[in-house]
Amino acid sequence: AQSVTQLGSHVSVSEGALVLLRCNYSSSVPPYLFWYVQYPNQGLQLLLKYTSAATLVKGINGFEAEFKKSETSFHLTKPSAHMSDAAEYFCAVSDRIGSSNTGKLIFGQGTTLQVKP
Amino acid sequence: DGGITQSPKYLFRKEGQNVTLSCEQNLNHDAMYWYRQDPGQGLRLIYYSQIVNDFQKGDIAEGYSVSREKKESFPLTVTSAQKNPTAFYLCASSRRQGTGYGYTFGSGTRLTVV
Repeated sequence: AQSVTQLGSHVSVSEGALVLLRCNYSSSVPPYLFWYVQYPNQGLQLLLKYTSAATLVKGINGFEAEFKKSETSFHLTKPSAHMSDAAEYFCAVSDRIGSSNTGKLIFGQGTTLQVKP
Repeated sequence: DGGITQSPKYLFRKEGQNVTLSCEQNLNHDAMYWYRQDPGQGLRLIYYSQIVNDFQKGDIAEGYSVSREKKESFPLTVTSAQKNPTAFYLCASSRRQGTGYGYTFGSGTRLTVV
């Protein structure tokens, strides 16, 4: 079964600093990968996704992520943090049995991003 | 615009009561999911359905029940057997085999036992 590990349950950065949220996955074949953002008391919103095209994926709000097969990673970055980026971020991987997608996503435990003025 | 609607946004339940959370989508998605979210525990899958009139248990199905009589609707009932139902509940939908598209989420229902 697939799994996702998000390193660091809480990350704190200063406004204007680089944001780096880490995500590692386990999968026997290249999976589909996603980053979602959740603001308090709201649902999850898709930030970006990797579906085996370009390895550097650009998303909304200035975020991007790079798929690195050799490192089984899909870290999320943003060059300059804004106060409005404070939220919880979830990495997810497509679930597979053998070479077939099950149709489900496996979510990481989430990382809370704090942005200090 | 298409999307997923969860209602109510806030729900209060007395001990021993069953309550039903609504989830409706107009995205023509085949699959629908229910997740429970507790602080520090991420998202835990309760039930999912990939086609009308069929559904499967997720990781924490005990104390919950669902139905999928229409493609657009996937209500979740929290029964009195669920000992700790206070949580944030999220509904999501996706195209049936298109996991490359990801999920679309509703805005959630916060359930509190009083």
